[in-house]
Amino acid sequence: GAVVSQHPSWVICKSGTSVKIECRSLDFQATTMFWYRQFPKQSLMLMATSNEGSKATYEQGVEKDKFLINHASLTLSTLTVTSAHPEDSSFYICSAPTSGGANEQFFGPGTRLTVL
Amino acid sequence: QKEVEQNSGPLSVPEGAIASLNCTYSDRGSQSFFWYRQYSGKSPELIMSIYSNGDKEDGRFTAQLNKASQYVSLLIRDSQPSDSATYLCAVHPSGTYKYIFGTGTRLKVLA
Repeated sequence: GAVVSQHPSWVICKSGTSVKIECRSLDFQATTMFWYRQFPKQSLMLMATSNEGSKATYEQGVEKDKFLINHASLTLSTLTVTSAHPEDSSFYICSAPTSGGANEQFFGPGTRLTVL
Repeated sequence: QKEVEQNSGPLSVPEGAIASLNCTYSDRGSQSFFWYRQYSGKSPELIMSIYSNGDKEDGRFTAQLNKASQYVSLLIRDSQPSDSATYLCAVHPSGTYKYIFGTGTRLKVLA
């Protein structure tokens, strides 16, 4: 299957700081990428859809000024959690669908964020 | 509201048995269906995709799709303890860029 990477795999930061998470499609181009958040023992929650060359589409209840998304190229999307607080501690996962008929969606390995 | 429903489980099966996981979806126009496996603390991993009615087999896994009844299932033959995980059903409905995920079924394979 296609490969999606994320960096960093984990990060610990102090409350009030900003954290940037990178998502890369390594062997295919992705005009669209998705950002999810998952709290322990809960379901995946779609936060936003990242679109190459245009603004991201945010799900209801997700603050776009707090979770900044930039899709700078066909292989890179970044999520910046601004002014992070302990309640933002979670598992952040990106994914990218392949193009063409299959439209299979591949996930990155995730980034575990802990805000102290 | 397009929905995908799964029984949360846990579904417990003995080692070597067949595990049967089911999923129903609401959007009749959906064309693409996926099963993911998610181990605790890890991200989801795609294990099967299916697009046409009927069965699709890949090793010990068989996906079954019935569009008329709007359900998709996953059979795992010769279940192993390493198959213990949460299995997510995902649907790509028509007319949207999003994928809709079920809440997942937790499978426990008992040694």
